[in-house]
Amino acid sequence: AQTVTQSQPEMSVQEAETVTLSCTYDTSENNYYLFWYKQPPSRQMILVIRQEAYKQQNATENRFSVNFQKAAKSFSLKISDSQLGDTAMYFCAFMKSGVGNEKLTFGTGTRLTIIP
Amino acid sequence: KAGVTQTPRYLIKTRGQQVTLSCSPISGHRSVSWYQQTPGQGLQFLFEYFSETQRNKGNFPGRFSGRQFSNSRSEMNVSTLELGDSALYLCASSSLWTTNTGELFFGEGSRLTVL
Repeated sequence: AQTVTQSQPEMSVQEAETVTLSCTYDTSENNYYLFWYKQPPSRQMILVIRQEAYKQQNATENRFSVNFQKAAKSFSLKISDSQLGDTAMYFCAFMKSGVGNEKLTFGTGTRLTIIP
Repeated sequence: KAGVTQTPRYLIKTRGQQVTLSCSPISGHRSVSWYQQTPGQGLQFLFEYFSETQRNKGNFPGRFSGRQFSNSRSEMNVSTLELGDSALYLCASSSLWTTNTGELFFGEGSRLTVL
């Protein structure tokens, strides 16, 4: 079984600053995906960024980037130039790769508040 | 393209009753999965359906059941409701192509309150 751990229940940062959210995971699988999902107060979960385990290059999506350390089983999210719209719950999630494995294992989440 | 639609958005039930929640996936998506979100337990996987067949099941009691129809719409049912079933129930869909990327698309959820 997989586990995902987010050790920061809450974080806050000033607008325009950079913030890093931590995530560690445990699995015996070799092929998998890691995700960061964002859940704004309106509740709809939105994919922020994804990383395939076989790729060594860290994923980047505009202001969002990850630091993927496969050996350490660490997957942190960096948000640069933070904006008020980034205020949300952020969930780190794991999924085994392959068809038929559409099951996400989530961490407990980090509530991020961007301060004007 | 319409997103994942869940109905009802809010509902209140009393202990012992049953409830049925509905989920319409994004057009063309054949996989539908359900998650329960509570403050105490976080996000937990309930089950996943593909082409009317349950492919994956989480660790929930038999009171929680689901099904998927030929048009990929899915329903989940909770019988003999307990106070602890109060939660936000999220539905997510994926297609063969998004499955290859591992991405799920979520609805806004159904907020169930059990009194």
